[in-house]
Amino acid sequence: ETAVFQTPNYHVTQVGNEVSFNCKQTLGHDTMYWYKQDSKKLLKIMFSYNNKQLIVNETVPRRFSPQSSDKAHLNLRIKSVEPEDSAVYLCASSLRTYEQYFGPGTRLTVL
Amino acid sequence: AQSVTQPDARVTVSEGASLQLRCKYSYFGTPYLFWYVQYPRQGLQLLLKYYPGDPVVQGVNGFEAEFSKSNSSFHLRKASVHWSDWAVYFCAVSFDSNYQLIWGSGTKLIIKP
Repeated sequence: ETAVFQTPNYHVTQVGNEVSFNCKQTLGHDTMYWYKQDSKKLLKIMFSYNNKQLIVNETVPRRFSPQSSDKAHLNLRIKSVEPEDSAVYLCASSLRTYEQYFGPGTRLTVL
Repeated sequence: AQSVTQPDARVTVSEGASLQLRCKYSYFGTPYLFWYVQYPRQGLQLLLKYYPGDPVVQGVNGFEAEFSKSNSSFHLRKASVHWSDWAVYFCAVSFDSNYQLIWGSGTKLIIKP
């Protein structure tokens, strides 16, 4: 099956902890993205990355960082979570086009 | 600045009735336009896309959209909605050589029985 996979589906943690979310795509795409979706369903691009360029949304706090081992994987690390980080994190990928394909999301709850 | 506006946060439609969800963009050139759907507890799925050409594009599940350069719009339509269409619909636009998408705020579609 070719798709975008994300783990875990849900994660509950406490303020100050470090968390990592995984994303893998088997579509053969060369660009991957992380989005944050808040409780009002608003989508905010956080990072886009291909093997040549990392584009960071300048509004993303420095405690967030992408980590990539190859073009099929783009993980998201949050160094010290805060309550406002509670959201759904969506991973997406594309192949030199504007069409992006999304994973199911990881729902983060920060207590 | 480039922007996308979905003016209706919620739209309620009776099952079997027709549907139009509105999307307007702000840009002087010709953009690439998309509609995505997000079902509860799922990621986004591409419904349809517009690349410069025929202004009316067909998508999955009976959805279509029409690009209007004069109105800077890309409205989504469906002739007869089904309860399974209950979801949030996002309009997205790209003008960027880095393939970045600008997203609307989403429209929640509610189906009345």
